[in-house]
Amino acid sequence: EIVLTQSPGTLSLSPGERATLSCRASQSVRSSYLAWYQQRPGQTPRLLIYGASSRATGIPDRFSGSGSGTDFTLTISRLEPEDFAVYYCQQYGSSPLLTFGGGTKVEIK
Amino acid sequence: EVQLVESGGGLVQPGGSLRLSCAASGFTLSAYSMYWVRQAPGKGLEWVAYINTDSATVYYADSVKGRFTISRDNAKNSLYLQMNSLRDEDTAVYHCATYSGFLPYWGQGTLVTVSS
Repeated sequence: EIVLTQSPGTLSLSPGERATLSCRASQSVRSSYLAWYQQRPGQTPRLLIYGASSRATGIPDRFSGSGSGTDFTLTISRLEPEDFAVYYCQQYGSSPLLTFGGGTKVEIK
Repeated sequence: EVQLVESGGGLVQPGGSLRLSCAASGFTLSAYSMYWVRQAPGKGLEWVAYINTDSATVYYADSVKGRFTISRDNAKNSLYLQMNSLRDEDTAVYHCATYSGFLPYWGQGTLVTVSS
C-alpha cells in the first residue's frame, strides 16, 4: 500500500500570498496518477488536479500541480478568500486501491 | 448534470448492520466503476470499497474487508454498501463517488454513527 504524507499539517497565510503544499509517497506513484482535492467546511471534496498537473474542469489557473515519482506539489499562486480550506492528495496509480494523504489545512494568518 | 445521492445512514449499535444506497442520475451508472469513500468526524478521507461496471471485480480497504459488501444494480442506477459487524471506528460520513481513479463526482454523503 502506498502511504501519502502531506506537509505541513497547517499553513497560515494571508490573502494574496503564495501557498505551496507537499505530498510525499512511500513509493513511486505509477504514471504520476496523483490528484488533489479541496474541501471547504461542510462541503464535499472538490477535484482540483489530476495526473499530477492537469487542472479539472472549471478550476482557476491560480491552482497548479507538479511533481513525479514520490514528490508532488500543489501551488496556489495568490490566495483568494475562498481558498482557505483543507487540501488532500490522492494516488490512483494502484487503482482501484486508492489512498489519500492526511490533508493540509490552509488557514488565514 | 451528474448527481449522486446517498441514503440509509443512521445510528446503530456496535455489532449491528446497515445498508447504504447511492442513487445516480444525469449519467448511465453502468458505464462507470464506483467507489465508497468515508470521512470520520474531523478526520481525513479514507477509501472504503470499489466495484467495476459489471460487478465482476470488487476491492475493499483492509479496515472493512470481511465486514462490508459493495454491490450495484445498473438497471436501477444504484450502488449499495452492506455494512455488518459495525464498530465504533466505522462512524463517518460515507460518500459514493465515481470516475476513473481520480474522483470528480461525489455525493453529499450519509452519516453513519456507531454507538451504544
